[in-house]
Amino acid sequence: GQSLEQPSEVTAVEGAIVQINCTYQTSGFYGLSWYQQHDGGAPTFLSYNGLDGLEETGRFSSFLSRSDSYGYLLLQELQMKDSASYFCAVRGVSNSGYALNFGKGTSLLVTP
Amino acid sequence: NAGVTQTPKFRILKIGQSMTLQCTQDMNHNYMYWYRQDPGMGLKLIYYSVGAGITDKGEVPNGYNVSRSTTEDFPLRLELAAPSQTSVYFCASSLQGNTEAFFGQGTRLTVV
Repeated sequence: GQSLEQPSEVTAVEGAIVQINCTYQTSGFYGLSWYQQHDGGAPTFLSYNGLDGLEETGRFSSFLSRSDSYGYLLLQELQMKDSASYFCAVRGVSNSGYALNFGKGTSLLVTP
Repeated sequence: NAGVTQTPKFRILKIGQSMTLQCTQDMNHNYMYWYRQDPGMGLKLIYYSVGAGITDKGEVPNGYNVSRSTTEDFPLRLELAAPSQTSVYFCASSLQGNTEAFFGQGTRLTVV
């Protein structure tokens, strides 16, 4: 099976940097993704790491260490609109292909 | 470009009733997924499909059925609805197993 652990809540100040960690257990690993979800909305894709290292997309960066089964999402220059839930998701091999499983999410509150 | 379209957006069912949640995508994606999201929780995978004619169970398949007769459509069937199935249901699709998943806007289902 698969399991993902991430903090339930994080609070940070506008303009600051915040890191959201994710540890995972999976049988067969094919990448770690991050998604953002605003209240009442659909999740939207932020980043994907298939190999170890850092991926940067604008103010967002994501890191993966496969040997540690660990990754994180780094948000820089926080803005009020970044207040949302952030989910890590792992692709693991199942019977017929790749199942995409999500963590429980981290609620990020950005304060003035 | 419509992306992933779910219908209906809202539905109230009585205990024991049945219904089908519709999901269609126009991106010619191979992979399609159904998730449920309870308040304040993460996304739990119900079923997924890697292509027409192939479906596989996710983490919480009990009480649901799916079919994938075409690439575009991936309906989710609820038989004998129960209050525990009150949730927000999201359909998603991705081109391949390791690429970005696109989500529909969700179906908010209440079983009373």
